[in-house]
Formats: sequence, C-alpha cells, structure tokens
Amino acid sequence: GENVEQHPSTLSVQEGDSAVIKCTYSDSASNYFPWYKQELGKRPQLIIDIRSNVGEKKDQRIAVTLNKTAKHFSLHITETQPEDSAVYFCAAKGETSYDKVIFGPGTSLSVIP
Amino acid sequence: EPEVTQTPSHQVTQMGQEVILRCVPISNHLYFYWYRQILGQKVEFLVSFYNNEISEKSEIFDDQFSVERPDGSNFTLKIRSTKLEDSAMYFCAIQGLIEAFFGQGTRLTVV
Repeated sequence: GENVEQHPSTLSVQEGDSAVIKCTYSDSASNYFPWYKQELGKRPQLIIDIRSNVGEKKDQRIAVTLNKTAKHFSLHITETQPEDSAVYFCAAKGETSYDKVIFGPGTSLSVIP
Repeated sequence: EPEVTQTPSHQVTQMGQEVILRCVPISNHLYFYWYRQILGQKVEFLVSFYNNEISEKSEIFDDQFSVERPDGSNFTLKIRSTKLEDSAMYFCAIQGLIEAFFGQGTRLTVV
C-alpha cells in the first residue's frame, strides 16, 4: 500500500545550523510532495511543496529536493531559528484534487538558542 | 489560503456516546476530507467525500463513522459510539487543484 517513511524522528540543532529531513515514498503514482509544519496543538501548515517535474525548489531558508527515480525527497532548513522548532511532516499525493495526502510519521525539530 | 472552520475546537464525551464534528469550508470546493491525528502520531486519512458521497475511505473508517453534508455548506463527521481510542485531533481538509488545506481541528477526548 501507499507509505511514506521519514527520518530522523527527532532532530536537535544549534541555532544557525542547518537541518535536513529525509523521506521516501512507495507509490509511483505520487507526483506532489508537500511539507507541513505543525506547532503544538495546531493544524499542519503547508510550508513548501514540490512537484514531480522539478528536482529542487527553494523559498528563502527552506529548500526541498526530489529524486523521483529513487523515490526520495528531502527538506533543508538553513540558518535555523528557535521559531523553526516544530514537528515537520513530509507527505505524498497524486496530482489531482481528489487524491488523499499520505503523511510521513513526522520529525520533531528542536532548535537550541 | 482557503479558510476551513471547525467546531467545536474541543469536545469531551463519555465512552459510548455519539459525537458530531463540524466543518465549514469557506469556498466552493467539491472535495472534502477528514483526517485524524492521535496525540504524538502522524496525520492519518479517514475519508474523502465528493458530490455528496464517500469517494474513498481508510480501514480506520469503520461502521461507527459516517460523513454527510446536510445543508450544502456544513460537512460533518459522526462517530456513533465513541471508544477511548477515538481520542484524537480530527482535521477537516479541502483541496485546491493540488494543495490540501486543513482546518484548525477538533480535539476529541473520550473518557
């Protein structure tokens, strides 16, 4: 069945350092890969996404890469700040409105001031 | 970003009671979704709803669960006889062309 794996489950970095979270997916039909940030008690918030026709996308301090052949994708956060502390979920989805989102298990990121 | 309003924000119920969680998407979307997140775990798909009927459901979505859109605007998730393991955050979601947008969630606590 459809599955998304995510590593590491917890990540602790010093403020200013980079953080990298890696995911793999199983469904070849997945063509859209969103990343969500979830703060305690709040909803998942879309922070960046990448489609299968693109290998890399960057938005300020956040970048995502995708290797569709290997079914790997990753999130890179540079110059981390304490407010980046949250749980991050990678996800995979087909490229239509009716496809459900399959979430990874999440990475709890702590940025130490 | 489309707005999705969920009520209540928190509900405490006795085991065996029925609960109804409500979602009001402020936009004209055709596809609606319910997801569940047990505390400390990942977000899991429950059910998708299109054109007033279920289009897909997960194995979590058993006979105790039902969804409907009773008046063309509200989208509800009903749990007929709650169990302790139903305690979780329940998120309603709508999807645009590709992105999924989540409501603030309802925290359901079954005691």
